Amino acid sequence: GENVEQHPSTLSVQEGDSAVIKCTYSDSASNYFPWYKQELGKRPQLIIDIRSNVGEKKDQRIAVTLNKTAKHFSLHITETQPEDSAVYFCAAVQMTTDSWGKLQFGAGTQVVVTP
Amino acid sequence: EAGVAQSPRYKIIEKRQSVAFWCNPISGHATLYWYQQILGQGPKLLIQFQNNGVVDDSQLPKDRFSAERLKGVDSTLKIQPAKLEDSAVYLCASSLGSVQETQYFGPGTRLLVL
Repeated sequence: GENVEQHPSTLSVQEGDSAVIKCTYSDSASNYFPWYKQELGKRPQLIIDIRSNVGEKKDQRIAVTLNKTAKHFSLHITETQPEDSAVYFCAAVQMTTDSWGKLQFGAGTQVVVTP
Repeated sequence: EAGVAQSPRYKIIEKRQSVAFWCNPISGHATLYWYQQILGQGPKLLIQFQNNGVVDDSQLPKDRFSAERLKGVDSTLKIQPAKLEDSAVYLCASSLGSVQETQYFGPGTRLLVL
C-alpha cells in the first residue's frame, strides 16, 4: 500500500519568512495529493490540493508543487503570519474510475511562526 | 451550512469497557469516513462508507471495532472491549462523492482509555 513520509516534523519560522514542507510517497500510481491544516484542538481543514496532471498550484500565499518522477510534493507558504501556526498534513491516494481510494496521511509538521 | 457533528467530544473509560461514537455528516454527503488520530500522527482511515455500504474497512481492527451506517446518513463507531492503545481522537469526515472531493472533518471525539 501507499506510504507517505513528511519532513520536517517541526518547523519554526520568523513572521514574514517562507516555510516549506516536503512529502514523499511510495506508490507511483497515486494521483491526488491534498494538504490539510489542523490548528490546536481543532479539526483538519483542506487548504490546497493537486492532481498528478499538473506540476504546481497556487492559492494566494500557499503553493504546492509535485514531482511525479521523484515521487515527492511540497507545500510552500510565503510571507508567513502568526495565524499560519498549526500542524500541516500531506496525503496521497490513487483514484481510479472504479475505486474509491484511501487517503494515506503523513505524520504531520508542526509549524510555529514567531512574531 | 451545518458541519459534521460528532458526539461525545470527550470520553474516558477503563480498559475492557465498551464505547460508542456518533457522527452526523453534512446533509447530502454520500461518503462518510472514520479516522483514528493518535497523538503526534496523521489521521488513519478505519472505515469508509458510500451511502450505507462499506467501501473500505481494511484497517479496521474487526475483533474489537465495528461501525454501521444503517440509513446512509448517521454513523456509529463502537469499540468493544477497549485497549489502552485505542486512546486517540476519532474523527468523522464526509464528502459529496469520492475521496477527491473535499473531506469535511468533524470536531472529533477524544478517547482516553485508562
